[in-house]
Amino acid sequence: KQEVTQIPAALSVPEGENLVLNCSFTDSAIYNLQWFRQDPGKGLTSLLLIQSSQREQTSGRLNASLDKSSGRSTLYIAASQPGDSATYLCAVRRYAGGTSYGKLTFGQGTILTVHP
Amino acid sequence: NAGVTQTPKFQVLKTGQSMTLQCAQDMNHNSMYWYRQDPGMGLRLIYYSASEGTTDKGEVPNGYNVSRLNKREFSLRLESAAPSQTSVYFCAILYRGRDGELFFGEGSRLTVL
Repeated sequence: KQEVTQIPAALSVPEGENLVLNCSFTDSAIYNLQWFRQDPGKGLTSLLLIQSSQREQTSGRLNASLDKSSGRSTLYIAASQPGDSATYLCAVRRYAGGTSYGKLTFGQGTILTVHP
Repeated sequence: NAGVTQTPKFQVLKTGQSMTLQCAQDMNHNSMYWYRQDPGMGLRLIYYSASEGTTDKGEVPNGYNVSRLNKREFSLRLESAAPSQTSVYFCAILYRGRDGELFFGEGSRLTVL
């Protein structure tokens, strides 16, 4: 059974800092890994998706890396801003073979606070 | 949220009442999902639909029914609501053309008294 762990559970940083959020998973037979952002009282917004064959993906100030063999992914946020304050979740999709999509397992999330 | 609309956004029910949560997408995707999110439990899959007319159980299907009558809409029904079903419910669609990327609606907050 896939288990996804996100560390730390909460993080508070001053504005301008570069920071790293961690996601680890127990089963390396994955199809892809997706990072989401969730603002209080809102739905999940997709940030980045990394295929199992990829090492990293970048979008603006965000960079996500994937090391499938060690079961780890990191989300790097450069020059953090108060508007980055949210909960960040990672989700790992199991490899199912063929054209099927396997089960998606979510981590518990990291609550990020960026203070001015 | 990428064309996924959920209604209602808020609902309060009494134990034993029934209701239906609606989800509609405007992107013509096949796969649709219903999740619930609870503090300390994370996101859990209730039901999913790989295509119009098909549905399958997820991790926590008990107490729920779903209906996928057309490609655009996927509804979640609580026949006899229980306090344990107090939660935030999210509908999601899978974007096959983007390597299985998942897009979520804004959520429906349900309280069962």
